[in-house]
Amino acid sequence: AQKITQTQPGMFVQEKEAVTLDCTYDTSDQSYGLFWYKQPSSGEMIFLIYQGSYDEQNATEGRYSLNFQKARKSANLVISASQLGDSAMYFCAMREGPGNRDDKIIFGKGTRLHILP
Amino acid sequence: NAGVTQTPKFRVLKTGQSMTLLCAQDMNHEYMYWYRQDPGMGLRLIHYSVGEGTTAKGEVPDGYNVSRLKKQNFLLGLESAAPSQTSVYFCASSYSPGMAYGYTFGSGTRLTVV
Repeated sequence: AQKITQTQPGMFVQEKEAVTLDCTYDTSDQSYGLFWYKQPSSGEMIFLIYQGSYDEQNATEGRYSLNFQKARKSANLVISASQLGDSAMYFCAMREGPGNRDDKIIFGKGTRLHILP
Repeated sequence: NAGVTQTPKFRVLKTGQSMTLLCAQDMNHEYMYWYRQDPGMGLRLIHYSVGEGTTAKGEVPDGYNVSRLKKQNFLLGLESAAPSQTSVYFCASSYSPGMAYGYTFGSGTRLTVV
């Protein structure tokens, strides 16, 4: 079973509109971290935002916020006032732990976001 | 600049050839990872290392070998390349296994096997 599910393979959004990228996760751990990465057409992986499972407040980083709904195991990325430069692939990811020394980050399959002028 | 450096950035191999991808980090990170990225598949873990001299298999290890002889370097080897190994390969490193620690990624290696 997939541990990270991104149900939107692609999205088209008008410039300046807000965008929500969906992510659900599956874990039995109480302690875990959730990440979003951006991959523009140039190919590099850019860290956007992090949410810890014990954080009560939703994480925010500039125009990015993470809508964390723990009971639903949901960690949606919200981009406010979208810009043309936001066009990219976005990956949701999870890191379980801290008990397992061999833990690693698990990635979803990604959502390709297109911002329309 | 501090970070993760991957070499080469591009490579074309013929089926059956071998090659080694090099990943070097200068952040004194303990943990290093090799992922492959294929369209519609996200990033899948090939092998990883939790410290110098250690390696472990990830989700898709077949056809690859790795070595971590020095803490700063993590090598990914293809002994006999196959077209199915055409992919973009990313190396990443992490300071700690803790849940709050993300990865620093290299810029990727685009490998084509013909």
